[in-house]
Amino acid sequence: EAQVTQNPRYLITVTGKKLTVTCSQNMNHEYMSWYRQDPGLGLRQIYYSMNVEVTDKGDVPEGYKVSRKEKRNFPLILESPSPNQTSLYFCASSFVGGTANQPQHFGDGTRLSIL
Amino acid sequence: KNEVEQSPQNLTAQEGEFITINCSYSVGISALHWLQQHPGGGIVSLFMLSSGKKKHGRLIATINIQEKHSSLHITASHPRDSAVYICAVRSRIAGNMLTFGGGTRLMVKP
Repeated sequence: EAQVTQNPRYLITVTGKKLTVTCSQNMNHEYMSWYRQDPGLGLRQIYYSMNVEVTDKGDVPEGYKVSRKEKRNFPLILESPSPNQTSLYFCASSFVGGTANQPQHFGDGTRLSIL
Repeated sequence: KNEVEQSPQNLTAQEGEFITINCSYSVGISALHWLQQHPGGGIVSLFMLSSGKKKHGRLIATINIQEKHSSLHITASHPRDSAVYICAVRSRIAGNMLTFGGGTRLMVKP
C-alpha cells in the first residue's frame, strides 16, 4: 500500500532534549516536505527536499534540521526543542513532474508536546 | 496581508446543498492545491490545478489565473463531506515552497 509513515504519532518531551521525527515513503517520490499546523496559524512549511541531498528552507525553518540521505526517508530533527515547537507536524511527498507540481501524499501527523 | 485568503472561514450547510469555497491569492503561482483535512486530522490532497477546471466525483475545482482566484465546489453535499478544506499555492518566485490559506471549516447537517 502506498503510504507516508511518520513516527512517533505522539510525543511528550522536555525542553532541550533532542528528538527526531522520522518520515518514510514507499512511492519513490522525489519531493518530500515537513509542515507544522498550529491553531490560528494554519499549515506552514518547515523544510522541503527536491531529491536526495537537496534540501531547502520553507516558511518557518528556525529550530529545525532535516537530512535527505536516502530517497525514501526525510527525518525532522529538533536539536534543542522549545515549548514554541509544540505543534502538529505533517510529512508529505510527491513526484516532481514536468511542471514540478504533483498532488502530495500526507502522513498521519505527529503531535509533539514540549514542556 | 496573507498571500492566500480563503472564504468563508466557517460554513454550515444542509445535506444536498451545493457548496462553494473560495481561495484568492496575491502572487503569481505555478500551481494551486486543494486539500481536505478530516476531523481526525488526516490530510488528503483533492486537486492540483495550474489552469482551467478539474472534476472528481462530486467535487469540482476551478482556477482563474488572471483573477488570482480558485473555487472548490461540492455538489449534493453529504455529512461525510464535513471537514476543513485548505487551499495552498506554489509561488512562481518562491521556488518550491507552498503557502497555505487558513482553511474553511465545513459542516454538513443531515
